[in-house]
Amino acid sequence: DTGVSQDPRHKITKRGQNVTFRCDPISEHNRLYWYRQTLGQGPEFLTYFQNEAQLEKSRLLSDRFSAERPKGSFSTLEIQRTEQGDSAMYLCASSLVAGGMYEQYFGPGTRLTVT
Amino acid sequence: KQEVTQIPAALSVPEGENLVLNCSFTDSAIYNLQWFRQDPGKGLTSLLLIQSSQREQTSGRLNASLDKSSGRSTLYIAASQPGDSATYLCAVRPDSGTYKYIFGTGTRLKVLA
Repeated sequence: DTGVSQDPRHKITKRGQNVTFRCDPISEHNRLYWYRQTLGQGPEFLTYFQNEAQLEKSRLLSDRFSAERPKGSFSTLEIQRTEQGDSAMYLCASSLVAGGMYEQYFGPGTRLTVT
Repeated sequence: KQEVTQIPAALSVPEGENLVLNCSFTDSAIYNLQWFRQDPGKGLTSLLLIQSSQREQTSGRLNASLDKSSGRSTLYIAASQPGDSATYLCAVRPDSGTYKYIFGTGTRLKVLA
Protein backbone atom coordinates (compact mmCIF):
# COMPACT_ATOMS: atom_id res chain seq x y z
CA ASP A 1 0.00 0.00 0.00
CA THR A 2 1.72 3.15 -1.23
CA GLY A 3 -0.76 5.74 0.00
CA VAL A 4 -2.69 8.31 -1.99
CA SER A 5 -0.84 9.52 -5.09
CA GLN A 6 -1.47 12.58 -7.23
CA ASP A 7 -0.22 13.56 -10.64
CA PRO A 8 1.21 15.96 -11.63
CA ARG A 9 2.80 17.41 -8.51
CA HIS A 10 3.16 20.83 -10.11
CA LYS A 11 1.38 22.45 -13.03
CA ILE A 12 1.98 25.88 -14.53
CA THR A 13 -0.53 27.01 -17.10
CA LYS A 14 -1.61 30.15 -18.85
CA ARG A 15 -4.93 31.75 -18.08
CA GLY A 16 -7.69 30.31 -20.24
CA GLN A 17 -6.11 26.87 -20.65
CA ASN A 18 -7.70 23.64 -19.41
CA VAL A 19 -5.92 21.43 -16.89
CA THR A 20 -6.61 17.95 -15.55
CA PHE A 21 -5.30 16.38 -12.35
CA ARG A 22 -5.33 12.73 -11.38
CA CYS A 23 -5.69 11.10 -7.98
CA ASP A 24 -5.11 7.43 -7.16
CA PRO A 25 -6.55 6.56 -3.74
CA ILE A 26 -5.38 3.88 -1.36
CA SER A 27 -6.56 0.62 -2.86
CA GLU A 28 -9.85 -0.65 -1.43
CA HIS A 29 -10.78 2.85 -0.17
CA ASN A 30 -14.27 3.51 -1.44
CA ARG A 31 -14.48 7.23 -0.63
CA LEU A 32 -12.43 9.85 -2.45
CA TYR A 33 -12.37 13.57 -1.70
CA TRP A 34 -11.02 16.69 -3.40
CA TYR A 35 -10.00 19.80 -1.47
CA ARG A 36 -8.39 23.09 -2.47
CA GLN A 37 -5.89 24.95 -0.32
CA THR A 38 -4.65 28.50 -0.84
CA LEU A 39 -1.60 29.96 0.87
CA GLY A 40 -2.01 30.37 4.61
CA GLN A 41 -5.45 28.76 4.69
CA GLY A 42 -6.78 25.36 5.62
CA PRO A 43 -8.05 23.05 2.89
CA GLU A 44 -11.58 23.73 1.59
CA PHE A 45 -13.84 20.90 0.51
CA LEU A 46 -14.69 20.65 -3.19
CA THR A 47 -16.38 17.30 -3.76
CA TYR A 48 -16.42 13.64 -2.79
CA PHE A 49 -17.24 10.27 -4.29
CA GLN A 50 -18.42 7.01 -2.88
CA ASN A 51 -17.26 4.44 -5.40
CA GLU A 52 -18.14 6.05 -8.76
CA ALA A 53 -21.01 8.19 -7.46
CA GLN A 54 -20.35 11.88 -6.83
CA LEU A 55 -22.37 12.46 -3.66
CA GLU A 56 -21.61 16.04 -2.66
CA LYS A 57 -20.27 19.16 -4.35
CA SER A 58 -19.28 22.45 -2.77
CA ARG A 59 -20.46 25.79 -4.10
CA LEU A 60 -16.74 26.41 -4.73
CA LEU A 61 -17.00 23.90 -7.56
CA SER A 62 -18.12 26.27 -10.30
CA ASP A 63 -19.27 25.05 -13.69
CA ARG A 64 -15.66 25.33 -14.90
CA PHE A 65 -14.74 22.46 -12.58
CA SER A 66 -15.65 18.84 -13.15
CA ALA A 67 -14.61 15.71 -11.31
CA GLU A 68 -15.04 12.09 -12.25
CA ARG A 69 -14.32 8.70 -10.80
CA PRO A 70 -15.38 6.48 -13.68
CA LYS A 71 -14.66 3.02 -12.30
CA GLY A 72 -14.63 3.77 -8.62
CA SER A 73 -10.84 3.74 -8.51
CA PHE A 74 -8.82 6.78 -9.64
CA SER A 75 -10.38 10.21 -10.02
CA THR A 76 -9.74 13.21 -12.25
CA LEU A 77 -10.39 16.88 -11.57
CA GLU A 78 -10.60 19.12 -14.62
CA ILE A 79 -10.57 22.90 -14.60
CA GLN A 80 -11.64 24.58 -17.81
CA ARG A 81 -10.69 28.12 -18.84
CA THR A 82 -8.38 28.56 -15.86
CA GLU A 83 -8.28 31.89 -14.04
CA GLN A 84 -5.56 33.32 -11.81
CA GLY A 85 -7.81 32.76 -8.82
CA ASP A 86 -7.60 29.02 -9.47
CA SER A 87 -3.95 29.03 -8.37
CA ALA A 88 -3.85 26.78 -5.31
CA MET A 89 -2.83 23.37 -4.01
CA TYR A 90 -5.37 20.71 -4.99
CA LEU A 91 -5.45 17.90 -2.45
CA CYS A 92 -7.00 14.47 -2.80
CA ALA A 93 -7.89 12.21 0.10
CA SER A 94 -9.43 8.78 0.49
CA SER A 95 -11.11 6.85 3.26
CA LEU A 96 -12.52 3.41 3.92
CA VAL A 97 -15.96 2.97 5.36
CA ALA A 98 -15.22 0.40 8.04
CA GLY A 99 -15.89 0.32 11.73
CA GLY A 100 -17.27 3.85 11.62
CA MET A 101 -13.81 5.44 11.62
CA TYR A 102 -13.74 7.25 8.23
CA GLU A 103 -10.19 8.51 8.74
CA GLN A 104 -9.11 10.52 5.70
CA TYR A 105 -5.65 9.99 4.20
CA PHE A 106 -4.26 12.74 2.00
CA GLY A 107 -2.01 12.71 -1.02
CA PRO A 108 0.93 15.08 -1.66
CA GLY A 109 -1.20 17.52 -3.65
CA THR A 110 -0.97 19.16 -7.06
CA ARG A 111 0.21 22.77 -6.98
CA LEU A 112 -1.41 24.78 -9.78
CA THR A 113 -0.03 28.13 -10.87
CA VAL A 114 -2.04 30.11 -13.42
CA THR A 115 -0.05 32.87 -15.10
CA LYS B 1 -22.57 27.07 9.68
CA GLN B 2 -19.65 25.23 11.24
CA GLU B 3 -16.49 27.30 11.70
CA VAL B 4 -13.17 26.03 12.99
CA THR B 5 -10.61 28.30 14.62
CA GLN B 6 -7.06 27.52 15.65
CA ILE B 7 -5.13 29.60 18.13
CA PRO B 8 -2.36 30.61 18.10
CA ALA B 9 -1.73 31.11 14.38
CA ALA B 10 2.01 30.74 14.95
CA LEU B 11 4.16 29.50 17.79
CA SER B 12 7.89 29.38 18.34
CA VAL B 13 9.32 27.34 21.24
CA PRO B 14 12.72 26.02 22.33
CA GLU B 15 13.41 22.34 21.92
CA GLY B 16 12.22 20.15 24.78
CA GLU B 17 9.17 22.20 25.72
CA ASN B 18 5.76 20.65 26.14
CA LEU B 19 3.17 22.57 24.19
CA VAL B 20 -0.56 22.76 23.54
CA LEU B 21 -2.28 23.67 20.30
CA ASN B 22 -5.91 24.71 20.41
CA CYS B 23 -8.82 24.08 18.07
CA SER B 24 -12.34 25.36 18.58
CA PHE B 25 -15.49 24.76 16.57
CA THR B 26 -18.81 26.57 16.66
CA ASP B 27 -21.24 23.65 16.29
CA SER B 28 -20.86 20.78 18.75
CA ALA B 29 -22.73 18.38 16.45
CA ILE B 30 -19.66 16.66 15.04
CA TYR B 31 -19.04 13.05 14.05
CA ASN B 32 -15.29 13.15 14.57
CA LEU B 33 -12.25 15.42 14.68
CA GLN B 34 -8.89 14.74 13.05
CA TRP B 35 -5.52 16.40 13.61
CA PHE B 36 -3.06 16.68 10.73
CA ARG B 37 0.48 17.84 10.20
CA GLN B 38 1.53 19.67 7.03
CA ASP B 39 5.12 20.37 6.05
CA PRO B 40 5.72 23.36 3.72
CA GLY B 41 4.51 22.66 0.20
CA LYS B 42 3.43 19.12 1.08
CA GLY B 43 0.23 17.19 1.65
CA LEU B 44 -1.34 16.40 5.01
CA THR B 45 -0.21 13.65 7.34
CA SER B 46 -2.83 12.24 9.69
CA LEU B 47 -1.84 12.40 13.35
CA LEU B 48 -4.87 11.46 15.43
CA LEU B 49 -8.57 10.86 14.89
CA ILE B 50 -11.03 11.28 17.75
CA GLN B 51 -14.58 10.02 17.48
CA SER B 52 -17.29 12.23 19.00
CA SER B 53 -17.85 9.67 21.77
CA GLN B 54 -14.17 9.70 22.78
CA ARG B 55 -12.39 12.10 25.12
CA GLU B 56 -8.81 11.60 23.97
CA GLN B 57 -6.41 9.72 21.74
CA THR B 58 -2.68 9.20 22.16
CA SER B 59 0.11 8.36 19.76
CA GLY B 60 3.68 8.51 20.99
CA ARG B 61 4.43 12.05 22.17
CA LEU B 62 1.07 13.31 20.92
CA ASN B 63 -2.17 13.46 22.88
CA ALA B 64 -5.38 14.92 21.52
CA SER B 65 -8.39 15.65 23.68
CA LEU B 66 -11.94 16.49 22.73
CA ASP B 67 -14.58 18.40 24.70
CA LYS B 68 -17.48 18.28 22.28
CA SER B 69 -19.96 20.17 24.43
CA SER B 70 -17.67 23.18 24.70
CA GLY B 71 -16.52 22.92 21.08
CA ARG B 72 -12.82 22.47 21.82
CA SER B 73 -9.96 20.14 21.11
CA THR B 74 -6.34 20.37 22.13
CA LEU B 75 -3.24 18.71 20.73
CA TYR B 76 -0.53 18.22 23.32
CA ILE B 77 3.03 17.64 22.11
CA ALA B 78 5.47 16.42 24.73
CA ALA B 79 9.19 17.12 24.65
CA SER B 80 9.09 19.01 21.35
CA GLN B 81 11.85 18.46 18.78
CA PRO B 82 12.99 20.52 15.76
CA GLY B 83 11.49 17.81 13.54
CA ASP B 84 8.06 18.72 14.93
CA SER B 85 8.26 22.07 13.09
CA ALA B 86 5.30 22.15 10.72
CA THR B 87 1.76 23.49 10.41
CA TYR B 88 -0.80 21.62 12.48
CA LEU B 89 -4.38 21.54 11.21
CA CYS B 90 -7.54 20.33 12.87
CA ALA B 91 -10.61 19.31 10.92
CA VAL B 92 -14.12 18.36 11.98
CA ARG B 93 -16.68 16.24 10.22
CA PRO B 94 -20.16 17.62 10.93
CA ASP B 95 -22.70 15.13 12.21
CA SER B 96 -25.20 15.99 9.50
CA GLY B 97 -24.89 13.20 6.97
CA THR B 98 -21.92 14.73 5.16
CA TYR B 99 -18.48 13.16 4.93
CA LYS B 100 -16.54 16.33 4.19
CA TYR B 101 -14.09 17.89 6.61
CA ILE B 102 -14.11 21.53 7.68
CA PHE B 103 -10.61 22.72 8.46
CA GLY B 104 -9.13 25.40 10.64
CA THR B 105 -6.42 27.68 9.27
CA GLY B 106 -3.71 25.90 11.24
CA THR B 107 -1.00 26.68 13.78
CA ARG B 108 2.50 27.17 12.37
CA LEU B 109 4.93 25.63 14.86
CA LYS B 110 8.65 26.24 14.94
CA VAL B 111 10.78 24.32 17.42
CA LEU B 112 14.19 25.91 17.90
CA ALA B 113 17.26 23.73 18.45
